[in-house]
Amino acid sequence: EPEVTQTPSHQVTQMGQEVILRCVPISNHLYFYWYRQILGQKVEFLVSFYNNEISEKSEIFDDQFSVERPDGSNFTLKIRSTKLEDSAMYFCASGTGGGEKLFFGSGTQLSVL
Amino acid sequence: ILNVEQSPQSLHVQEGDSTNFTCSFPSSNFYALHWYRWETAKSPEALFVMTLNGDEKKKGRISATLNTKEGYSYLYIKGSQPEDSATYLCAFRPGYQKVTFGTGTKLQVIP
Repeated sequence: EPEVTQTPSHQVTQMGQEVILRCVPISNHLYFYWYRQILGQKVEFLVSFYNNEISEKSEIFDDQFSVERPDGSNFTLKIRSTKLEDSAMYFCASGTGGGEKLFFGSGTQLSVL
Repeated sequence: ILNVEQSPQSLHVQEGDSTNFTCSFPSSNFYALHWYRWETAKSPEALFVMTLNGDEKKKGRISATLNTKEGYSYLYIKGSQPEDSATYLCAFRPGYQKVTFGTGTKLQVIP
């Protein structure tokens, strides 16, 4: 079965550094998402992306965050200047749209020191 | 901010017991309700997508019901097995794109 892949599985960075989290969604999917879960808290929506632009974003997704689909297959989340509170598991998801289910990657555990 | 709540937060049951948990969501602007199972060290996996009031879905020993007018969905597990141990997430979809997740119910099935 097709799957969403995410790299790296773990990322450790120093506060203030830039990180790029990478995702390869399922090839015929049109809608892409980033979610995160801080340890012990609920899964939080960050951003949705469709037709090469952000379609919706949460309050968490401030100017420090950006997303890109640079080459038609990868979908990246960039955090420009990481903060301690950005430490979380980041999940990429993709879907065909409508009410259909999302397919999730296995996540990137980001640790900001 | 959409309020999607799940209860209980966590649950311990004995193997063979049946169990159920609840997802509540805003009753206006309903588009779809998803249930996902999230096992430790894996990614969330979709169980059900429910779109119509009164929908009932079943997959093996797991089933779900939906009431969009009052804003709740129940997930039932019949004869729980240790492999059912996971966090169960519901996700509310008010429109075509955004999906808002509930707080999750962590189920532990004790052999």
